[in-house]
Amino acid sequence: DAGVTQSPTHLIKTRGQQVTLRCSPKSGHDTVSWYQQALGQGPQFIFQYYEEEERQRGNFPDRFSGHQFPNYSSELNVNALLLGDSALYLCASSSNRLRDAFFGQGTRLTVV
Amino acid sequence: QKEVEQNSGPLSVPEGAIASLNCTYSDRGSQSFFWYRQYSGKSPELIMSIYSNGDKEDGRFTAQLNKASQYVSLLIRDSQPSDSATYLCASAGVGGGFKTIFGAGTRLFVKA
Repeated sequence: DAGVTQSPTHLIKTRGQQVTLRCSPKSGHDTVSWYQQALGQGPQFIFQYYEEEERQRGNFPDRFSGHQFPNYSSELNVNALLLGDSALYLCASSSNRLRDAFFGQGTRLTVV
Repeated sequence: QKEVEQNSGPLSVPEGAIASLNCTYSDRGSQSFFWYRQYSGKSPELIMSIYSNGDKEDGRFTAQLNKASQYVSLLIRDSQPSDSATYLCASAGVGGGFKTIFGAGTRLFVKA
């Protein structure tokens, strides 16, 4: 049973560019949440997708957007990258029925 | 602002001892609580979830929840050097809605 998979694992972008990160949820899961984790901090909630809709959003600017596809996979898009966007981006999947969430291996984004 | 607070540590225990990790949360309506383990440079791994007051045991791990005191703890029995990691406490539900709120984590070192 494949767990949560994210791609790419590492990425280097220049300020002002745009980036797309991808996530495939664990088999049987229909809910995908995205988090940003800075060094030494806990993950910060960006948003959650369920039934192809953004169900809830954290305190992140509109530069952060996402999408969920009919197969439950998801994308996170970040526009106009800032140096401060450098972080580990984590995707977690869960079943809408249960709260237990499982993380992918993360994408390490570096903005230079 | 709904928060989860943890002592950042580091907490150092000898091999074979019991490690006790603690967490408090501010949203009295929170319904679900989680402990994740995160090794350096890796993504968080779910150890335990707990939803009702009392203790929940899984192998060497015991999670304890006291909703009246808004307090969650994790006990690790027979600690091993491989348990050395950052432990993240998280809560979800009611005021936080669908999002999971994480603490900043407690670093645990188990000395051989």
